[in-house]
Amino acid sequence: NAGVMQNPRHLVRRRGQEARLRCSPMKGHSHVYWYRQLPEEGLKFMVYLQKENIIDESGMPKERFSAEFPKEGPSILRIQQVVRGDSAAYFCASSPMGYNEQFFGPGTRLTVL
Amino acid sequence: ELKVEQNPLFLSMQEGKNYTIYCNYSTTSDRLYWYRQDPGKSLESLFVLLSNGAVKQEGRLMASLDTKARLSTLHITAAVHDLSATYFCAVDVGNSGYSTLTFGKGTMLLVSP
Repeated sequence: NAGVMQNPRHLVRRRGQEARLRCSPMKGHSHVYWYRQLPEEGLKFMVYLQKENIIDESGMPKERFSAEFPKEGPSILRIQQVVRGDSAAYFCASSPMGYNEQFFGPGTRLTVL
Repeated sequence: ELKVEQNPLFLSMQEGKNYTIYCNYSTTSDRLYWYRQDPGKSLESLFVLLSNGAVKQEGRLMASLDTKARLSTLHITAAVHDLSATYFCAVDVGNSGYSTLTFGKGTMLLVSP
């Protein structure tokens, strides 16, 4: 049973470009969470999604960031017009139900030049 | 806003010694997680503590939860080099019917001969 998969594992973008981060949850999991980890910090919650629905986006920056989890395919975290401050590790986690242990993916390390 | 504080943030230990990492949190919760993170890697789940007085042990690590004191501890017994990593506690409030993890800043543990 494959774990949570994220791709790409490393992503380099220049300021002003778009970054798309993908997350495929574990088989049987329909709940996805995105977290951001800045250097030397703990993970910070960004958004919680179920299939086709955003349930809680209270941790998402108001501009340039969006997330989706379509009926088919992976969850996508999209960052438009990236800035240097967006450089971080972005982790996705999934769970089978809303109030269950979350299982983390390997993360995508985004570097903005 | 929930605050989760870990201390110490950095711990340098000699092999064979014992030490405790503390995790304090500011609101009611009966679900707490401990994770391990190696440099450049994802989070590995160590312990899930689900009730007051819960104690779990795995190898040289033992975790406990006191929900009344809003305190969890991670005790390291006879440390070995392989335990060198960053350890995070995460508190799950879950009062909206789904999991919302708030992480501490992490404790970077370095075990030397």
